[in-house]
Amino acid sequence: DIQMTQSPSSVSASVGDRVTITCRASQGISSWLAWYQQKPGKAPKLLIYAASSLQSGVPSRFSGSGSGTDFTLTISSLQPEDFATYYCQQANSSLGTFGPGTKVDIK
Amino acid sequence: QVQLVQSGAEVKKPGASVKVSCKASGYTFTGYYMHWVRQAPGQGLEWMGWINPNSGGTNYAQKFQGRVTMTRDTSISTAYMELSRLRSDDTAVYYCARDSKWLRVKYYFDYWGQGTLVTVSS
Repeated sequence: DIQMTQSPSSVSASVGDRVTITCRASQGISSWLAWYQQKPGKAPKLLIYAASSLQSGVPSRFSGSGSGTDFTLTISSLQPEDFATYYCQQANSSLGTFGPGTKVDIK
Repeated sequence: QVQLVQSGAEVKKPGASVKVSCKASGYTFTGYYMHWVRQAPGQGLEWMGWINPNSGGTNYAQKFQGRVTMTRDTSISTAYMELSRLRSDDTAVYYCARDSKWLRVKYYFDYWGQGTLVTVSS
């Protein structure tokens, strides 16, 4: 099975900061990767699919890149509403494996 | 607008079964695969499986094989997830989530239910 890892597990940042989160797959998954944002007590929200495609309605400060085994999610200028936990998810195999998550909190 | 509305919280004893429903509206129910994802308290997301609402075909994560059953009732646009032989570590919020692709499974989940808390306790 494909395993997903994320780093860092948490990051403290300020409004306006550029934040980058990394996701690594245990084997190549081409561009079959999604990113989700989850706020406490809420369902996850799809941000990015196919590694770099922005989901409709998601602000352009979110971007994704990568292919193969290494991927990144970048928030170009952190906004107050972006403090949340972010998960990557592989969509290559017949299992929708998620990464362990990265919590972005206020410095 | 697309909505997925799940059934309410449940408390079950170890060894029992639970059945969670997910009523879809605002789109053609049979056109999009439905997935189930769970999240234990303070933990990450765990994919459980999917159902093709058109054919009723299913695919379950190996971890849940033999304990989970996903079904649907197309007449009321509702998907169900039943988990049997419950254990304390099955305590979690269970989500239904719609696949983003028409008539295909892509594992990109564009709409989610509000979640159903299932508590397993003696």
